[in-house]
Amino acid sequence: SQKIEQNSEALNIQEGKTATLTCNYTNYSPAYLQWYRQDPGRGPVFLLLIRENEKEKRKERLKVTFDTTLKQSLFHITASQPADSATYLCALESGANNLFFGTGTRLTVIP
Amino acid sequence: DTGVSQDPRHKITKRGQNVTFRCDPISEHNRLYWYRQTLGQGPEFLTYFQNEAQLEKSRLLSDRFSAERPKGSFSTLEIQRTEQGDSAMYLCASSSWTSGGALKETQYFGPGTRLLVL
Repeated sequence: SQKIEQNSEALNIQEGKTATLTCNYTNYSPAYLQWYRQDPGRGPVFLLLIRENEKEKRKERLKVTFDTTLKQSLFHITASQPADSATYLCALESGANNLFFGTGTRLTVIP
Repeated sequence: DTGVSQDPRHKITKRGQNVTFRCDPISEHNRLYWYRQTLGQGPEFLTYFQNEAQLEKSRLLSDRFSAERPKGSFSTLEIQRTEQGDSAMYLCASSSWTSGGALKETQYFGPGTRLLVL
């Protein structure tokens, strides 16, 4: 069955540094992968989508890479700010028209 | 349209009672999804509709759960004879999906309904 692992439950980083979150998956080859942000008590908010034929996608301070050989996506936030503190979820399209989510990484940016 | 809305935002009920949640998707979206999220976990897929047709159900959706989208707009999720294990955040999402051409796979989530079964 599909399995998604996000590198750690929690990641603390100093303001201004680059945060790097990892998403590894097994037993599947998704056509695309998405990253969402979730704040406590709220629904996930879409950030970026990257397709299997794309190596990298950028949006403002965010960058996502997708390595289908390694079965891994990296999510980078450059010049991190305390407002970036949230849980970040990696999600794969499941091939069955729904998303399969990882457990998330809780990022804390320390001022 | 400001996005996906869900009602109520919070629900506390006693074990054995029935509860119903409502989701209003983004108006032009033809797909609507229900997910369940427990503490420390990512959302887990329950079911989805394309227009009014329910096209897929997860094995997580037991016989006590039923979802409808009668007119292809809002949807309801009902849980009968609630159990303490049903306590979770229930999330609704919508998307605009087209067959052929550029797929719009992004799902837009509502704020969720937090259910607590005592």
